[in-house]
Amino acid sequence: EVQLVESGGGLFQPGGSLRLSCAASGFTVSSSYMSWVRQAPGKGLEWVSVIYDGGTTSYADSVKGRFTISRDNSQNTLFLQLNSLRAEDTAVYYCARDGGYNYGHNLDYWGQGILVTVSS
Amino acid sequence: EIVLTQSPGNLSLSPGERASLSCRASRRVSSNYLGWYQHKPGQAPRLLIYGASRRATGIPDRFSGSGSGTDFTLIISRLEPEDFAVYYCQQYGGSPPYTFGQGTKLEI
Repeated sequence: EVQLVESGGGLFQPGGSLRLSCAASGFTVSSSYMSWVRQAPGKGLEWVSVIYDGGTTSYADSVKGRFTISRDNSQNTLFLQLNSLRAEDTAVYYCARDGGYNYGHNLDYWGQGILVTVSS
Repeated sequence: EIVLTQSPGNLSLSPGERASLSCRASRRVSSNYLGWYQHKPGQAPRLLIYGASRRATGIPDRFSGSGSGTDFTLIISRLEPEDFAVYYCQQYGGSPPYTFGQGTKLEI
C-alpha cells in the first residue's frame, strides 16, 4: 500500500528555516517524480517543487532560490528545505507522487499534509 | 506558463442533481496530461480523473471527464452528499511543469 507521511511543520519566524520530510512506503521515491504542493489559508493548491527520477529539480518562481527539494534513497524519503521564510509561505504542505506517463503525470498519491506557519 | 481558469468559482446544487465544472487553459494542453482532483477540508486531495477522461482507481462512474485542446469538463452525473468539496484541474507540461486551476467550490 502506498503511503506518504509528512513531518517537520510548526511555527517559524520570518527569515527562518526548516526542513520538511515525507516518508514514503509501498513504492520507491527515487524511481518516481515527487512533488511538494501547498495550500495557503483560504487559497487553492499551488505546486511548489518537483524532483524527477533522474535527480533534476524544478521550482515555482515564488520559492526559487529559497527552497530546495531533495531525497534520501536509503530512507525512501523526500525533503523540502525552506529558507528565508516569509509570511506568505504559511500553508499546508503536501508531498505527492506523480503517477507517471501512464497516469498522465497527474498526482496519484498524496500525504495528509503538514502545516507550516510563519509568524513573529 | 499555462494558466488554467476554472468556472464557476462556486456552484450550489442539491444531492441528485448534475454538476458540470469547466477548466479552460490559456494554451493548448495535451489531453494526456489534464487531471481533476477533489479536495475536502482536512484531507489530502484525491485524484479523480487523469488523461482528461480516465477515472482513477476506485472512483465511482458518476464522475466523468471530457475535453481537449483548451477546454475541459468534469461532470458529476448525480450528486451524492459526499461529493460536496472543492475541485481542481491540473495540467502537466511546460514551465512550470505542473499548474492548478483556482478551484470550483461545489456546495449544497
